[in-house]
Amino acid sequence: GNSVTQMEGPVTLSEEAFLTINCTYTATGYPSLFWYVQYPGEGLQLLLKATKADDKGSNKGFEATYRKETTSFHLEKGSVQVSDSAVYFCALSGILIQGAQKLVFGQGTRLTINP
Amino acid sequence: GAGVSQSPRYKVAKRGQDVALRCDPISGHVSLFWYQQALGQGPEFLTYFQNEAQLDKSGLPSDRFFAERPEGSVSTLKIQRTQQEDSAVYLCASSTYRGNNSPLHFGNGTRLTVT
Repeated sequence: GNSVTQMEGPVTLSEEAFLTINCTYTATGYPSLFWYVQYPGEGLQLLLKATKADDKGSNKGFEATYRKETTSFHLEKGSVQVSDSAVYFCALSGILIQGAQKLVFGQGTRLTINP
Repeated sequence: GAGVSQSPRYKVAKRGQDVALRCDPISGHVSLFWYQQALGQGPEFLTYFQNEAQLDKSGLPSDRFFAERPEGSVSTLKIQRTQQEDSAVYLCASSTYRGNNSPLHFGNGTRLTVT
């Protein structure tokens, strides 16, 4: 079945450091891929997405490229800020239910940025 | 409302008690999902509604779990005879129905603790 494997956390970096959070997936067909972020005390929010191979999703300085050949969707940011501290979830769209997404999530990676 | 609202925010139940968790989706959103998030894990799909119709309940872990959305708006997730393994955050998400590109809007969740 479909599954997502994320880099284990927690990850702790200093402000302005380069960030990579690895994500690989197993899926049948051609799923869409997503990164969701959960800030402390808040609900999950969509950070970025890519719907087909070689697409690059980007938002708030974060980027991820849909790599079909390596089944990966690694999240990167060139210079992190304290406000980026959160839990990050990689996800793929699984079986469509009459057109709606059914998401399969990774286990999440907790990121802490120190000033 | 401005976003997906869930209540209560926290619920403590003694083992064997019944609980009811409420979700108010964004007005006009056709699709509604329930997810279960165990501590340190990613969300896992429970069930999906399109308007009042429950189209997929394959993720409900046992027949103690029941969900309804009688008027196609507010949804309730009911857990009967709660067990300790039911302790988790229960997330509700809604979206408009536009096929695979409808973004999901998540609520802040209800944290259920079964003692």
